[in-house]
Amino acid sequence: AQTVTQSQPEMSVQEAETVTLSCTYDTSESDYYLFWYKQPPSRQMILVIRQEAYKQQNATENRFSVNFQKAAKSFSLKISDSQLGDAAMYFCAYRRGMDSSYKLIFGSGTRLLVRP
Amino acid sequence: ETGVTQTPRHLVMGMTNKKSLKCEQHLGHNAMYWYKQSAKKPLELMFVYSLEERVENNSVPSRFSPECPNSSHLFLHLHTLQPEDSALYLCASSRTTDALEKLFFGSGTQLSVL
Repeated sequence: AQTVTQSQPEMSVQEAETVTLSCTYDTSESDYYLFWYKQPPSRQMILVIRQEAYKQQNATENRFSVNFQKAAKSFSLKISDSQLGDAAMYFCAYRRGMDSSYKLIFGSGTRLLVRP
Repeated sequence: ETGVTQTPRHLVMGMTNKKSLKCEQHLGHNAMYWYKQSAKKPLELMFVYSLEERVENNSVPSRFSPECPNSSHLFLHLHTLQPEDSALYLCASSRTTDALEKLFFGSGTQLSVL
């Protein structure tokens, strides 16, 4: 069974600084997708970034980028120039590439605090 | 604002009550989902609907009954719940059920079962 582990329950970063959130996963599949979702206090989860496992190039979305290490099964999220609005719960998620599997498997989340 | 609306935002119910959670999206999406977010467990997929047909039931007890009358609306009917069912129930939608599709989530219903 696939699992997603986020070992950092909480992280703190100074505004304008850079922070990296860790995520590891376990799977025997070769075709899969990885995601980072953000859940602010409004509770509405928002997709931050996604990565196809077959792509070697790390995904980037403005201030957000990932470090995808397929062999190590690691998928960390780097937030550059942190802003107060980045404060939220961040969830790493995994999904098999097969159409018959609809399950998005989430990690337990990391709470990010941003200090002004 | 993601375009997915859930009501009510909060719900308190007794174990013998019957209540329903509502989810609505006008994004033109064909897939809708129910997720459960408990304090002590990661988000868990409960149900998936694709083109109004249920395509996944993730071993959810029968006291939870989903309904998808059309592609814009999704309900979760609740009856004889247990205190351990207290959680945040999140609805989501996506254009299709393809693996790479972005999920759009609602703000959830915080459910407390007394």
